[in-house]
Amino acid sequence: QLQLQESGPGLMKPSETLSLTCTVSGGSVYTSAHYWGWIRQPPGKGLEWIGTIYYAGTTHYNPSLKSRITMSVDRSKNQFSLELSSVTAADTAVYYCARSLGYCSGGTCYSYDYWGQGTLVTVSS
Amino acid sequence: QSALTQPASVSGSPGQSITISCTGTSGDIGAYNYVSWYLHHPGKAPKLMIYDVSNRPSGISNRFSGSKSGNTASLTISGLQAEDEADYFCSSYTSSATLLLFGGGTKVTVL
Repeated sequence: QLQLQESGPGLMKPSETLSLTCTVSGGSVYTSAHYWGWIRQPPGKGLEWIGTIYYAGTTHYNPSLKSRITMSVDRSKNQFSLELSSVTAADTAVYYCARSLGYCSGGTCYSYDYWGQGTLVTVSS
Repeated sequence: QSALTQPASVSGSPGQSITISCTGTSGDIGAYNYVSWYLHHPGKAPKLMIYDVSNRPSGISNRFSGSKSGNTASLTISGLQAEDEADYFCSSYTSSATLLLFGGGTKVTVL
């Protein structure tokens, strides 16, 4: 059974760079059959798609966050990661990692079949 | 405010059927058959229940069904059970650069 587990700093200060890692178990992150994505949910608000990455390194980012995002895949650790620079209080959210349901044509993933349980990141001075 | 609109809560008695709506626009739900529904127990991993409007992933009970009419998608839970009590949220592909939109979630309560 595939499992995803997010890990992150929990609490951070404005202007810092957020680094999150998603560890995949029960399957390989280095697969051509799926994309890997990040989604977040600010407190009291709906979910927001952040972006996706393919095992080969191809990325697709939400335009509203694109200038601050970097995603990567680490085959040796079976992980994929998200970096979000210059964080503000508006970046406070539960961050989820997820696997796409199948291959995403053109990098557009319509559904995610496996998710992590999420990690809360709070940005506060 | 979420991009897709869902009712905050829906309730029903065991055995009944309930329907959760997810309203978008002609640029997302109305234009594409890429609506998904997820079950979410807070603090746990969301679970895909329906994809591409009405398809169930392997292992999902046929008590769960999805449909779409115009700019509104719906998730129907038949034969409501106590274990169905959870938050449910929808998502849809959008022609905007954002690519994927989500609803704000609906809390289902089994009375």
